[in-house]
Parts: sequence; structure tokens; C-alpha cells
Amino acid sequence: DTAVSQTPKYLVTQMGNDKSIKCEQNLGHDTMYWYKQDSKKFLKIMFSYNNKELIINETVPNRFSPKSPDKAHLNLHINSLELGDSAVYFCASSQDPISGNTIYFGEGSWLTVV
Amino acid sequence: QQQVKQSPQSLIVQKGGISIINCAYENTAFDYFPWYQQFPGKGPALLIAIRPDVSEKKEGRFTISFNKSAKQFSLHIMDSQPGDSATYFCAASHGSNYQLIWGAGTKLIIKP
Repeated sequence: DTAVSQTPKYLVTQMGNDKSIKCEQNLGHDTMYWYKQDSKKFLKIMFSYNNKELIINETVPNRFSPKSPDKAHLNLHINSLELGDSAVYFCASSQDPISGNTIYFGEGSWLTVV
Repeated sequence: QQQVKQSPQSLIVQKGGISIINCAYENTAFDYFPWYQQFPGKGPALLIAIRPDVSEKKEGRFTISFNKSAKQFSLHIMDSQPGDSATYFCAASHGSNYQLIWGAGTKLIIKP
């Protein structure tokens, strides 16, 4: 039983394309996140949703747009992909956005832009 | 002030040895300090966490030492095993706007 699942796991696409990554959690959590991990392993939060409402929106290009149809799903759509978007994107969830809650990560989506 | 500085960037330890990874922070409002472990090809997973009301927390071979006055905390892995080889992240957070501030990660290699 995968707690946080994201698809696709691997994605190779050309510059300028639009792509989406889907995420679902079956933990009953209220809060979901998108993180980006670059080639140096640095983890950077991109967005956070609590009960379908955006609560954290870090400085990321407008080309990245999250969408939360319900509290168990948080999808990431990326327009006009650029070479610098190549990274691993992790979806994650936690019970609520209160400090001290464990964040559960998916296995990541490896995006390569060529 | 929101940064968490982690060192070393990489660490090689012999099997059976003690692995030590250090983190330092500036924001005294931080009230939660977790360590996450990430294996290649996987997402990070919570390993152990501490609150500032205690100076040490131990779970099996893993211990967090916390020094509030120095604003530092560290992860000690006793009797390190090859299966402990992974990237370790320290982090810190506070309050209701829950955003973990992450360290840069330490790649740990345990040599057999």
C-alpha cells in the first residue's frame, strides 16, 4: 500500500513542452506539498496545500501551476519546459501544517528536459 | 536567519564506526528538529526527531544530540552499517505555518 504515490516516475521531454505530474496520498492527510530536488540533492519546497487551499507558494516561475482537486490529490503542471527544470520532483503529505508533523514523501518523479 | 547549515557534505565511515553529522541554526523560534534519511531512488523518510525541551533522543543506533545554547544539533549513528549508506538531511521548523527549513544534506558511505 503506497502512502504517497506519484506518476510518472520518469519523464523525458523536449524543451517547450507542457507536462503534468500527478500525486495521490491515501493517508487521510490534510496537507500536501511539492518539493524540487536538484542535482546537488538540495530540497526546495515549491508549494503546499492544506485542504485544497494554497498555503505556501515559494518563488517559482509562473510556468509551474499546482492543482488540488481534493485533499488527497495534488498535481503539478509545468508549461514551456526549460533545461533548468530537469530535477526530481517529490510530492509529500502531512497530517496538517503544524510544526512537528511527519512529512511523508513519494518516490519522486525524475524529469529530464532535453 | 531561516537557514540550517549542515556539515559535512559527505562522509565515509568504516563499518562499525560512529557517523556524526552536524547542523546549526540561527532562528531561536524553531521548535522541531527532524532528521530525514534518503536512499538512492527514493524519497526522504523521517528517521528521528527532537524538540528543544530535551538534550538527547535515542532510537536504536541513532541518537540526536541537541545543544540549545549553541543552536546546534547532531545525528550520531553508532555501529554504522553498510545499509546506513544514504543521504541524511537535518531540518527545522516552527509554528503553524509549517515549512521545514532543510539542511543541504550529507552523503554518508559506510565502507564494509
